[in-house]
This record gives sequence, structure tokens and C-alpha cells, in this order.
Amino acid sequence: LAKTTQPISMDSYEGQEVNITCSHNNIATNDYITWYQQFPSQGPRFIIQGYKTKVTNEVASLFIPADRKSSTLSLPRVSLSDTAVYYCLVGVFNDYKLSFGAGTTVTVRA
Amino acid sequence: EAQVTQNPRYLITVTGKKLTVTCSQNMNHEYMSWYRQDPGLGLRQIYYSMNVEVTDKGDVPEGYKVSRKEKRNFPLILESPSPNQTSLYFCASSTGTSAWYEQFFGPGTRLTVL
Repeated sequence: LAKTTQPISMDSYEGQEVNITCSHNNIATNDYITWYQQFPSQGPRFIIQGYKTKVTNEVASLFIPADRKSSTLSLPRVSLSDTAVYYCLVGVFNDYKLSFGAGTTVTVRA
Repeated sequence: EAQVTQNPRYLITVTGKKLTVTCSQNMNHEYMSWYRQDPGLGLRQIYYSMNVEVTDKGDVPEGYKVSRKEKRNFPLILESPSPNQTSLYFCASSTGTSAWYEQFFGPGTRLTVL
């Protein structure tokens, strides 16, 4: 697994856009970037996955620059319910192993 | 409803008393996995199963056993629990044949070993 570095915590206010950047300098050619969200006392939930450029779904956008050494998860117009831990993961599709780091704790305030 | 279920949700036990945490999924997923979550350490993978009768170690397998006799069930067995296995445990299943497809997680089992 490629090592990832992401901020430990971030604060935001309702209605703002939250951008979480993940650094993965040693990403390999076949690696994909995946983000999960975890609410307190619940299991993680898959948010988005991408390989390059931009991926968007109903929950978030994922921006990946050409060198793929970092990626940014963008959460538009957050609400209090977006308070959670967000995990950035990098790895290949045929890998059976997966562990999550400490993630980024995002706190949204009113 | 498509889901992963775990039982029990909460368990307090004593050192050395064998226990089993059950995990079941109703999505016909081939890949299943167990994780433990401890403060400041994220989720660490204990064991995974690529398909029926095929299992392998994750990053922290010591003190745990698993079995995969049926596609839908993947129990976690602690033969002789110790206090350092006090943790929050999650079972997950994947839409594909590896960990990197979307994983669906169960609600968690909070285990305390005294």
C-alpha cells in the first residue's frame, strides 16, 4: 500500500466547502485513490474512488492532478451531519489487504 | 435490505473464555474482511476471505481465527481472549473480489475483555 498523509483534523461551518488533501508521493502506476467516511460508532462508508483527473458523485468530488502525488476530496456545502472522519486510501485493485490510517476528523459547526 | 450484520453488538467477557463474533452479508459478495479499530490507530485488518474456504491473514491476525464455510458468513473467533483484544470490531464485504472494490461495513461489535 502506498503511504498516505492527510491532516489530522479540520474545522468548518455549515454551508462551506471542505477540501481535504491527501499526499501520496509514492503512488504506483496501478494504484487507485479511495475515500471513506466514518461517523461516530458506525462502520466506514465508501464515498468515492478515482484514478486520475476528476471524479464526481452525489456526495463529493475527487480531484487528482496529473502527477497523482496528491488528491483532494471536496465536500460541497457541508452540514452538521458531515461531521465525521475521512480516510484516504491508495492501492491496487487486485490487493486483498487494506488497512485504514487515522484519517482526518472534520468537524462542522453551526 | 442489503446489509452486513454482526452479533453481538456489545460483549464483555473475561480473559481466556472463548468467544465468536458472527458476521453475515446478504449481498452475495465473495470478499469479506474483519477489522479492529483502536483510538489513534485507524482500522487495522485482521483477516480476509477471497471466497468460500479461502482465508488469509491481514496486518494483525495474532490471537484470532476465522472460517468461511458459506459465502454469506464469516465468523471471527477468539480462542483465548486477552485484555489487549479489547476493541471495536467491524466486518465488511466487498462488491468485487478484493478489498479495493466498495466495501460495506457492519455496525460494529464493541468487545471488552477483563
